[in-house]
Amino acid sequence: AQTVTQSQPEMSVQEAETVTLSCTYDTSESDYYLFWYKQPPSRQMILVIRQEAYKQQNATENRFSVNFQKAAKSFSLKISDSQLGDAAMYFCAYRTSYDKVIFGPGTSLSVIP
Amino acid sequence: GAVVSQHPSWVICKSGTSVKIECRSLDFQATTMFWYRQFPKQSLMLMATSNEGSKATYEQGVEKDKFLINHASLTLSTLTVTSAHPEDSSFYICSAHPGLAGGQFFGPGTRLTVL
Repeated sequence: AQTVTQSQPEMSVQEAETVTLSCTYDTSESDYYLFWYKQPPSRQMILVIRQEAYKQQNATENRFSVNFQKAAKSFSLKISDSQLGDAAMYFCAYRTSYDKVIFGPGTSLSVIP
Repeated sequence: GAVVSQHPSWVICKSGTSVKIECRSLDFQATTMFWYRQFPKQSLMLMATSNEGSKATYEQGVEKDKFLINHASLTLSTLTVTSAHPEDSSFYICSAHPGLAGGQFFGPGTRLTVL
């Protein structure tokens, strides 16, 4: 069975600085998708970025980028120029071949003004 | 992006009653929808996969007679919590994807409180 691990329950970053959130996963599948979702206090899940496993190039979306290491089964999220609105829970997620999405335990990110 | 709605956003009910939560995909058709449960300060736990026109697939440990799922059309799935008890109080979230490669889109969630 697939599992997703996030080893940092809480992180903090100064406004305008850069922070990296860690995620590792375990799977025997060769083709899959990985995601980072953001859940602000409103609890609405927001897709931040996605990565297809067959693509070697790391995904980038504006200030958000990932470091995808397929062999190491690692998928970290880097947030550059952190803003107050980035404060939220961040969940790393894995999409199985059956379209089910498995979430990691989450990292609570605080942004310090 | 694709929009998923949920109704109601908040419901309070008495113990022993049943509660129905609706999940709708507003601008796309979804043959598959998913139902999650989230306790405070915890992650999302997949409860079941809702399949249009067929029975739902429940995750291990989820009581199918307690959590009834009906996927009546390509844009609507419902979750009914039957004979609700205080331990069923939680945040319930649905999701769907348009069938294209990529992430799921989530509804805003329903907060259920059972007194």
